[in-house]
Order: sequence, then C-alpha cells, then structure tokens
Amino acid sequence: AQSVTQLGSHVSVSEGALVLLRCNYSSSVPPYLFWYVQYPNQGLQLLLKYTSAATLVKGINGFEAEFKKSETSFHLTKPSAHMSDAAEYFCALDSNYQLIWGAGTKLIIKP
Amino acid sequence: DAGVTQSPTHLIKTRGQQVTLRCSPKSGHDTVSWYQQALGQGPQFIFQYYEEEERQRGNFPDRFSGHQFPNYSSELNVNALLLGDSALYLCASSFESTSGRWNEQFFGPGTRLTVL
Repeated sequence: AQSVTQLGSHVSVSEGALVLLRCNYSSSVPPYLFWYVQYPNQGLQLLLKYTSAATLVKGINGFEAEFKKSETSFHLTKPSAHMSDAAEYFCALDSNYQLIWGAGTKLIIKP
Repeated sequence: DAGVTQSPTHLIKTRGQQVTLRCSPKSGHDTVSWYQQALGQGPQFIFQYYEEEERQRGNFPDRFSGHQFPNYSSELNVNALLLGDSALYLCASSFESTSGRWNEQFFGPGTRLTVL
C-alpha cells in the first residue's frame, strides 16, 4: 500500500536558519510527490512537485525538495527561514486520481 | 479568475442530522475531489467526480455521498452525522488532461463542520 510519513509534527527554527522538513514515502510504482502549505484558516497551496523529471525540484517562496529513490525520501528545505514561512506543511503522493497525505508538520519560526 | 470556492465557511450541526456542502471549481476545471481533514491530521480522500460520475472513492461509509452538476460544481452530502464527522472539508478541482498522468489540484478554503 502507498503511504506518506512526515517525521516531526512540529519543527521550530530561528529566523534566518535552515528549514528542513522530512518526508518519506512508500510506493510500488514510480511516485509523483508534492509539498503543500496550509496557512491558518486557508486552503492548501502547492509549493512544489516531483513528476519524474529532475530530482531536485524548486518551488515557490524559495523552497526546494530533493527526490531520493534509494532513501524513499522527498525532504523539503529552505536555506533561510522567514517569519512568513510559519504554517503547516504537508507531503503528498499521487495515487490513481487521489492524493495520499502525510500528517503534516507545523513549522514554527522563532524571532 | 476566481479560484475554488466553497460554501458555507462554517457549519454547526447536531448528531443524526444531514448536511450539504458546496463547491465551485476553478474556471476551466472539470474534475472535483473532496477531502476530509480532521484536526491535527492530513487530509483524507473521500471521492472524486468527473463527468458527473463518482470516479474513485476513499475509505468512507455510504453516509458520505456526492453529486456533480453539468456546470462542474459539486456537492458533498453527509447523512446521520456523527461527532467524528467534525472536520474541515476541502474541495479541490483539476482539469482532466489527455496528456500526462497528473493534473494539479487547486484547493478551496474549506468548510469547517462541527457536530455537537
């Protein structure tokens, strides 16, 4: 069965520090993978997607993610955190018309 | 260009009642998916509608039903509400392209359902 696991329900970093949000997946077929961001009381916005092209994917707001098949990972990074990055981040896997989601990681930015 | 819209924004119901949630897809989109997001969890796929038919369904009971209209808008109906149905219900729309496997889903802001 396909699944997504996000390590850490909460991640706290200082403003200006590196952001690293972890995502591991399980899939029997080559996966399409996504990162979405959800701000309070808002819907989900696509940050970036991996669809079997380049393994290093760049997204909006300075985020990027690297697909590593050997590690079944798709971790999200940003070199320098900004206060506006505080939100909940979800990793998701495409599975035959539906998205399978991780439980989410709440990113907290310390001033 | 209006994005995905959902109504109502918030809803309070009591156990046993029935509820209808509505979704209008992004302009040019013909496919609508519904997700349930319980507090502190990731979204769970309920079902997807395409060409006015339910194309795929997640692990939800028959109390959850839906409909898609000729203008591609959609409704989610939940009967015999349980306390556990309290959640944020998200609608996502996409365009069914004939090329490629994946079509980006655009999400609405959701409807917050509280069952007392």
